[in-house]
Amino acid sequence: EAGVTQFPSHSVIEKGQTVTLRCDPISGHDNLYWYRRVMGKEIKFLLHFVKESKQDESGMPNNRFLAERTGGTYSTLKVQPAELEDSGVYFCASQLGSEAFFGQGTRLTVV
Amino acid sequence: GENVEQHPSTLSVQEGDSAVIKCTYSDSASNYFPWYKQELGKRPQLIIDIRSNVGEKKDQRIAVTLNKTAKHFSLHITETQPEDSAVYFCAASRSNAGGTSYGKLTFGQGTILTVHP
Repeated sequence: EAGVTQFPSHSVIEKGQTVTLRCDPISGHDNLYWYRRVMGKEIKFLLHFVKESKQDESGMPNNRFLAERTGGTYSTLKVQPAELEDSGVYFCASQLGSEAFFGQGTRLTVV
Repeated sequence: GENVEQHPSTLSVQEGDSAVIKCTYSDSASNYFPWYKQELGKRPQLIIDIRSNVGEKKDQRIAVTLNKTAKHFSLHITETQPEDSAVYFCAASRSNAGGTSYGKLTFGQGTILTVHP
């Protein structure tokens, strides 16, 4: 069974540019989460989709972040415009029951 | 909301020794406590989990204990090996009333475990 895949694995962009991260969850998993780990701190929740609907977006830092999950399959997380403090590793996880399966993450560096 | 504290932030042991990582949580409604291991450059992977109706769970060299009253849970690794070196995260979440679905994970800060040969 294919796991959760994320693209790209790394991204280096300049402050003010736009970046779009993509997550392909495990097929059949309705629940999809985005998390972020900044500078060696804890992994923090960003938002939760159930199929194509946003269930909880209380962790989104501000309106520069936009997440979508069209058709309830893959999801994208767009940062526009990117700021230095957005640097970190962005993880996607798809969940079945209690167990969350993580992607390998996208390391975003804003310079 | 939930808050999870994890200690220590770094742990260095000799091969064969035991390692213990401790976490506390704040939300008494949390009822699911997984532990994730993240090796360098790889994805976090679930290594063991425990639900609030159980006090202890063991899987070969790893075990987790839960004290609901004190709201803390611990990971125990015995006979450590160099391949146990990684970052370990504890987390907490809660289920719906029927226990059929679980919400977001709240993570601890992570523990960098180094096992020296």
